[in-house]
Amino acid sequence: GAGVSQSPRYKVAKRGQDVALRCDPISGHVSLFWYQQALGQGPEFLTYFQNEAQLDKSGLPSDRFFAERPEGSVSTLKIQRTQQEDSAVYLCASSSTDRSFSSPQHFGDGTRLSIL
Amino acid sequence: SQQGEEDPQALSIQEGENATMNCSYKTSINNLQWYRQNSGRGLVHLILIRSNEREKHSGRLRVTLDTSKKSSSLLITASRAADTASYFCATGGHGGGNKLTFGTGTQLKVEL
Repeated sequence: GAGVSQSPRYKVAKRGQDVALRCDPISGHVSLFWYQQALGQGPEFLTYFQNEAQLDKSGLPSDRFFAERPEGSVSTLKIQRTQQEDSAVYLCASSSTDRSFSSPQHFGDGTRLSIL
Repeated sequence: SQQGEEDPQALSIQEGENATMNCSYKTSINNLQWYRQNSGRGLVHLILIRSNEREKHSGRLRVTLDTSKKSSSLLITASRAADTASYFCATGGHGGGNKLTFGTGTQLKVEL
């Protein structure tokens, strides 16, 4: 079927605004990840869902970041009161197993967030 | 934080030549994966090598893993212009849960 879909592809917001980024994983994939990628760097882990349960949110940089996956499929990453340092590409990935460290992750093309 | 580093940071070669990228990591791992990222796109999984494996092949790709040195290498043989991309190693497991921890990446440019 279709791959991982993220929307919007580009988002420009003013500092202090709230933003919401959406991820549609591959249908049936159990595991869903959010990563943040700064320019010229590798992705950095933000949070992980197994179905609707958020099992690891250790990478979220502050309490302004919030993620949910209420029905175990689509996920939303919300950033409140955005700051300039939040500017980055936000990548979503999904995996068919609950042992995702031992299987490939399938990535979307990301949302490029720019905070003015 | 990044798990480790790729070396070199950037590599420019001619089409048909081989490209070798190295990855070092810091902690014990369950497996190591290599991903490719074209500009403005998401990452694409290339190959996974488990901690009890030393070498793995997939088409024009050859990956080695040396757990004693905490390092891995990715060799792309007979490179093509379409191989131009950034390449990342990623480690998983062993206390890190299900997440992957990525290196800093190597930017490969293959020129005609």
